[in-house]
Amino acid sequence: DGGITQSPKYLFRKEGQNVTLSCEQNLNHDAMYWYRQDPGQGLRLIYYSQIVNDFQKGDIAEGYSVSREKKESFPLTVTSAQKNPTAFYLCASNERNTGELFFGEGSRLTVL
Amino acid sequence: QQQVKQSPQSLIVQKGGIPIINCAYENTAFDYFPWYQQFPGKGPALLIAIRPDVSEKKEGRFTISFNKSAKQFSLHIMDSQPGDSATYFCAASNSVTGGGNKLTFGTGTQLKVEL
Repeated sequence: DGGITQSPKYLFRKEGQNVTLSCEQNLNHDAMYWYRQDPGQGLRLIYYSQIVNDFQKGDIAEGYSVSREKKESFPLTVTSAQKNPTAFYLCASNERNTGELFFGEGSRLTVL
Repeated sequence: QQQVKQSPQSLIVQKGGIPIINCAYENTAFDYFPWYQQFPGKGPALLIAIRPDVSEKKEGRFTISFNKSAKQFSLHIMDSQPGDSATYFCAASNSVTGGGNKLTFGTGTQLKVEL
């Protein structure tokens, strides 16, 4: 089945540690996105990539980093510089410049 | 600057009722307006979408009404069922810009349909 796989589903981290969230898609989509979801704030765009080896900052990129070395993979690193990292992180993809976003099931990060 | 404002934040209706969720946008360049449905612990999924060349779109029990002059659009759920209980997000994007189809989301509405 085609889709987006995010891992891990749950992750606990101590303050000061970096953590990397995995996102893999087998939909052959060009574009991939990372969103952060907090209660009452909707989904906010962290980073997006329209093509391999290229990515752009979204609205809340500070404290995050990404890479796009392969079309099917778009990992997100939450660095120790991110002041409030506890959140639900969603990866998505679509064909470049088309409408429907396909989402993964999310990764819930808790900083202890 | 919040570009898509969504209301209400939460909504409770009886089975068979017609919940209505409203969104307003500021950017007149937006030309694609989808609604996403999200169940707890899952990622959002596209429910229905509209472009500004029509004022209404229906898919099953779900209808989007669009008012371009007022820069508002709304989701109506006919004959609502307990299985419709979820969080609903409106969104908007400008497909013409060179930055791809970046969606700007509203803050979400938690809908509960009671028996």
